[in-house]
Amino acid sequence: EAGVTQSPTHLIKTRGQQATLRCSPISGHTSVYWYQQALGLGLQFLLWYDEGEERNRGNFPPRFSGRQFPNYSSELNVNALELEDSALYLCASSPGLAEDNEQFFGPGTRLTVL
Amino acid sequence: QKEVEQNSGPLSVPEGAIASLNCTYSDRVSQSFFWYRQYSGKSPELIMSIYSNGDKEDGRFTAQLNKASQYVSLLIRDSQPSDSATYLCAVIGAGGTSYGKLTFGQGTILTVHP
Repeated sequence: EAGVTQSPTHLIKTRGQQATLRCSPISGHTSVYWYQQALGLGLQFLLWYDEGEERNRGNFPPRFSGRQFPNYSSELNVNALELEDSALYLCASSPGLAEDNEQFFGPGTRLTVL
Repeated sequence: QKEVEQNSGPLSVPEGAIASLNCTYSDRVSQSFFWYRQYSGKSPELIMSIYSNGDKEDGRFTAQLNKASQYVSLLIRDSQPSDSATYLCAVIGAGGTSYGKLTFGQGTILTVHP
């Protein structure tokens, strides 16, 4: 069974640009989560989508946004990039809406903002 | 007080010993608890989930949960050098802004030396 996939593996942008990161969940999973792992800050929750709807959002500014497509894949958009947005962005998936569902992570996208 | 706190590391144990990793959480109504392993440069890998008080064993790993003390631990028996990694404790709260999101501890770096 294929795991969570993310693209691209690495992304280099300059300050002020926009970045788009993509995620495909494990087959059969309807929930997709996005997390940021910045150096020294640990893993921080960004967004949760299930069945195309945003279910929860972490404490991040509105320039972090996303969406989930009918095939359950997801996209994270970061507008007006700032240097501190440089981090590993991790996508996870779980089978559905139950709060205790185990979340399985993809390999991540390393975003570097210059 | 941090929402999820792990015992300060790094933790170094000899091969074959038991490694003990500890975690406390502040949200008394949290329901779901997870341990992830993260190798350097890789994404977190789910190794244990626990939802009820008591012990849960899976191979060399045992998770222990005590909701009254708001404490969860992970024991690794017969530690191997391949267990050397950062171990992350994660908790899902019960509704509101905690809905569905994993809140992570800062991680404990474990080194198993031959």
